[in-house]
Amino acid sequence: QLRLRESGPGLLKPSETLSLTCTVSGGTIDSSSYFWGWIRQPPGKGLEWIGSIFYNGVTYYNTSVKSRVTISVDTSKREFSLNLNSVTAADTAVYYCARHLGCINGVCYDAFDVWGQGTWVTVSS
Amino acid sequence: EIVLTQSPGTLSLSPGERATLSCRASQNVRSDFIGWYQQAPGQAPRLLIYGASKRATGIPDRFSGSGSGTDFTLSITRLEPEDFAVYYCQEYGTSQTFGQGTKVEIK
Repeated sequence: QLRLRESGPGLLKPSETLSLTCTVSGGTIDSSSYFWGWIRQPPGKGLEWIGSIFYNGVTYYNTSVKSRVTISVDTSKREFSLNLNSVTAADTAVYYCARHLGCINGVCYDAFDVWGQGTWVTVSS
Repeated sequence: EIVLTQSPGTLSLSPGERATLSCRASQNVRSDFIGWYQQAPGQAPRLLIYGASKRATGIPDRFSGSGSGTDFTLSITRLEPEDFAVYYCQEYGTSQTFGQGTKVEIK
């Protein structure tokens, strides 16, 4: 059974860089079938997609954070990572990693079908 | 960017009743690119529906999705206790955006 687990510091100061890692177990990350993504949820609010990556390093990002975000992948470690620089209190959220559903019968669905449990990140001075 | 507006904000129902949740897009969306999620308190979201009407693996058939163009609906027949949660729609074909959510609470 595929499992995803987020890890990284839970407390940051303003202007620091948020760095999180998602470790994939029970399956492969270097499949040509799937993209892998990051989504966040500020306290008491809705979901915001941050960006996604393919096993070969192809990425696409939400324009709202594109200037501050980098997502990378290390297939040998079965991990993909999120770096978000110059954080502010507005970046305080639960951060989830997730897998895109992929293509079925020739149609590609970018919904997220497998999620990590999420990790809290607080930005505070 | 496509904006998704969900209604109502909160739905108060009793177990066994039917829930109907709405998701309206700011422009036409291809049905293949609409998903619905359930999020219980303190939990990660769970994919219920993709392609507007296709149930994800392991999702009971009391959940169904429909719609086209700009109007999409998630229906839950015979609410079970575990169905009281927050539900989000998502557009993933153009802008990867989520609606603001509908909370289904026990009346």
